[in-house]
Amino acid sequence: DSGVTQTPKHLITATGQRVTLRCSPRSGDLSVYWYQQSLDQGLQFLIQYYNGEERAKGNILERFSAQQFPDLHSELNLSSLELGDSALYFCASSVDPGATYEQYFGPGTRLTVT
Amino acid sequence: DQQVKQNSPSLSVQEGRISILNCDYTNSMFDYFLWYKKYPAEGPTFLISISSIKDKNEDGRFTVFLNKSAKHLSLHIVPSQPGDSAVYFCAARGSQGNLIFGKGTKLSVKP
Repeated sequence: DSGVTQTPKHLITATGQRVTLRCSPRSGDLSVYWYQQSLDQGLQFLIQYYNGEERAKGNILERFSAQQFPDLHSELNLSSLELGDSALYFCASSVDPGATYEQYFGPGTRLTVT
Repeated sequence: DQQVKQNSPSLSVQEGRISILNCDYTNSMFDYFLWYKKYPAEGPTFLISISSIKDKNEDGRFTVFLNKSAKHLSLHIVPSQPGDSAVYFCAARGSQGNLIFGKGTKLSVKP
């Protein structure tokens, strides 16, 4: 158990809908990262937050957004969903990206868009 | 264009023997590399890492070797155990602090 929690574990929704994925980092970790794992693309970095502020952006679509709250949990919002958004979404956390580079991953949320 | 490549999608090894998983990268500016292990229905688990200033790092049965001139790293598992059967991902630390992953190698350790 990495100490990172993600809810829900599975999500099935229809095209055009909006969903919210939730992540709680390990106790003491200030940084949260979101990754998408699809069959053909592997694990792709989406976005990073550090202590409530956006720190870095990867290949995140404009239909997707995220935030990190004062209690350090993070939410990833996916809107106008398309079939191609079906994937595993992982959250990872680390203490301080400047001090240590290891990231600890949650169990993931499997999103299925029908 | 993939910056981190794991060219072997799968590897099968006998229990007790050595498993060698390989990884190549294209960006010479990468300064830190990590290996993760992933079981089905779980998130990736950090295994071992290496800084670009080193050429070897060892942790129990796991050793990572880095050859900077060849832009190549490898993970050695000795001795291999059936519980090591999983997908192994190589990753490099990107300029933004994110991890850039290879597509993984599925290791099967047969009793």
